[in-house]
Amino acid sequence: AQKVTQAQTEISVVEKEDVTLDCVYETRDTTYYLFWYKQPPSGELVFLIRRNSFDEQNEISGRYSWNFQKSTSSFNFTITASQVVDSAVYFCALTPGHIIQGAQKLVFGQGTRLTINP
Amino acid sequence: GAVVSQHPSRVICKSGTSVKIECRSLDFQATTMFWYRQFPKQSLMLMATSNEGSKATYEQGVEKDKFLINHASLTLSTLTVTSAHPEDSSFYICSASELRTDIGTGTDTQYFGPGTRLTVL
Repeated sequence: AQKVTQAQTEISVVEKEDVTLDCVYETRDTTYYLFWYKQPPSGELVFLIRRNSFDEQNEISGRYSWNFQKSTSSFNFTITASQVVDSAVYFCALTPGHIIQGAQKLVFGQGTRLTINP
Repeated sequence: GAVVSQHPSRVICKSGTSVKIECRSLDFQATTMFWYRQFPKQSLMLMATSNEGSKATYEQGVEKDKFLINHASLTLSTLTVTSAHPEDSSFYICSASELRTDIGTGTDTQYFGPGTRLTVL
């Protein structure tokens, strides 16, 4: 069975602080994909990143960075110099990957509600 | 990135009526679309997987006769909530996965629509 745990239900920080959102996953698959999505108050889920299980390189995109560690089954997300517009619910998700192309179910974590205060 | 639209964005209906929600992939073809339901302050719950030209696969506990899904083309899937009741009030979100022509790249990224807020009175 697959499972994604986001232990932090809510985080509140002051603007310009750095904040890390934790994501721990469970899977028996050797090949899998991890995702982060952002859900602002408008409700639409915005795709942020996708990482496959064979690529443990950390990634940086502007103020966003992701730390993938297979040894601890974690895929944490850090926002540097946070801004009010970063306020949203962030979801970590997992899906099995197979060599046959196609879409698989996403298993979502419970989400972390991030509030950036001015 | 790929764009997915949903219509309507918000609907209020009386108990007993049926409501149809459309999900469209605007700039890509989607072999697979997914329908999710989200209650306030909760995560997304997968309802069903919709493949173009075939019957949808429903998750355990989801009534297929209640939530009718049709995926008639590579850019359109519809979810019809039949005989809606107040407990069906929720935020419904669809996602679409792009048809890939390159083989061996594993699973595809799902792109989400903006959601439809259904309120049943």
